[in-house]
Amino acid sequence: ELKVEQNPLFLSMQEGKNYTIYCNYSTTSDRLYWYRQDPGKSLESLFVLLSNGAVKQEGRLMASLDTKARLSTLHITAAVHDLSATYFCAVGGGGATNKLIFGTGTLLAVQP
Amino acid sequence: NAGVTQTPKFQVLKTGQSMTLQCAQDMNHEYMSWYRQDPGMGLRLIHYSVGAGITDQGEVPNGYNVSRSTTEDFPLRLLSAAPSQTSVYFCASSYSSGTSYEQYFGPGTRLTVT
Repeated sequence: ELKVEQNPLFLSMQEGKNYTIYCNYSTTSDRLYWYRQDPGKSLESLFVLLSNGAVKQEGRLMASLDTKARLSTLHITAAVHDLSATYFCAVGGGGATNKLIFGTGTLLAVQP
Repeated sequence: NAGVTQTPKFQVLKTGQSMTLQCAQDMNHEYMSWYRQDPGMGLRLIHYSVGAGITDQGEVPNGYNVSRSTTEDFPLRLLSAAPSQTSVYFCASSYSSGTSYEQYFGPGTRLTVT
């Protein structure tokens, strides 16, 4: 059974600082997703990582994937208040379906 | 191109009532799915479909039914609502093959069962 663990669950950080959110998963998968969710809103896709060593960057966010370690990271560089949100990783269930198994999310609060 | 749409946005039900949450997409995606989101638990897959006429169960299917008669629509039926089904429900769609595995989520339906 595929399990996805995300940590930390809550992250309070100051503007300008760097930090990393970790996503571990228990079985082999060929795709890893990162989403952002603002309060009361739907999920916004940030990154889709499809291969070992994949790295994608968008603004202050950079995501990477290590399929051998079954680990993905979301690195935040020089945080700003606008990045405050809940971030989810999700792992593709594999096979011919696009089932996703989600982590429990990381609530990021960036303090001025 | 409206993407993934869901109706209603909000719903309050009494225990034992039934209802259908609607989901539609206009991107000709083969794959559609329903998730529920509860506080502190992330999203959990309820049911999914890989094409018209084909559905299967996800992690938490009990108390829910689905059918897929067209590519565009994937309704979720609550047979006899229970307070444990109070949640936010999201529908998602994507292509089921090819190079793009991007999944698109609808705006959600907030359901309260009293």
